[in-house]
Amino acid sequence: AQKITQTQPGMFVQEKEAVTLDCTYDTSDQSYGLFWYKQPSSGEMIFLIYQGSYDEQNATEGRYSLNFQKARKSANLVFSASQLGDSAMYFCAMRELDNAGNMLTFGGGTRLMVKP
Amino acid sequence: DSGVTQTPKHLITATGQRVTLRCSPRSGDLSVYWYQQSLDQGLQFLIQYYNGEERAKGNILERFSAQQFPDLHSELNLSSLELGDSALYFCASSVVSRGAGEGNTGELFFGEGSRLTVL
Repeated sequence: AQKITQTQPGMFVQEKEAVTLDCTYDTSDQSYGLFWYKQPSSGEMIFLIYQGSYDEQNATEGRYSLNFQKARKSANLVFSASQLGDSAMYFCAMRELDNAGNMLTFGGGTRLMVKP
Repeated sequence: DSGVTQTPKHLITATGQRVTLRCSPRSGDLSVYWYQQSLDQGLQFLIQYYNGEERAKGNILERFSAQQFPDLHSELNLSSLELGDSALYFCASSVVSRGAGEGNTGELFFGEGSRLTVL
């Protein structure tokens, strides 16, 4: 089974519209972390936001917030007022505590395209 | 700038050849991770090293190997290359080896990637 599922391979939004990128995860761990990364066309991976499984508040980081619904195992990325520079691939990732290491497992990504 | 340095940025080679990708982690980070990203796909974890020792292994082919040296830089060796090995190879680093400490999310800091094209 996929550990991280991003059901929107691609989406178009109009500039200044709000955006929600979906992410669901599968784990039997009680303690885990969820991450979102942005990958612009230049290729680098940029860390956006982190949510710990025990965090009671939804994480926020600048323009980004994470809508964390633990019972549903979802961790959607939300940002308001999209900009042209937000056009990129977005990846949701999870780190499970019982990893032998500390690697992240990534979803397949969502390609966001912001139209002027 | 993440502080993680990868070389070369681009590499074109032929099938059957061998290449070495190099990674210098952020100053102070003991863990190095290698990921492979094929065209329009997510990142596949290959292998992790922590302070010179292999810590975790993912979907790494037997034709691929890696090591981390005493100065903490790492190399990923890809041999008997096939067309399907064409991909963007990322190195990432973090300070922790497992889980996350207090106030530390354990996020990975990625280099800019090495784009390998096998012809």
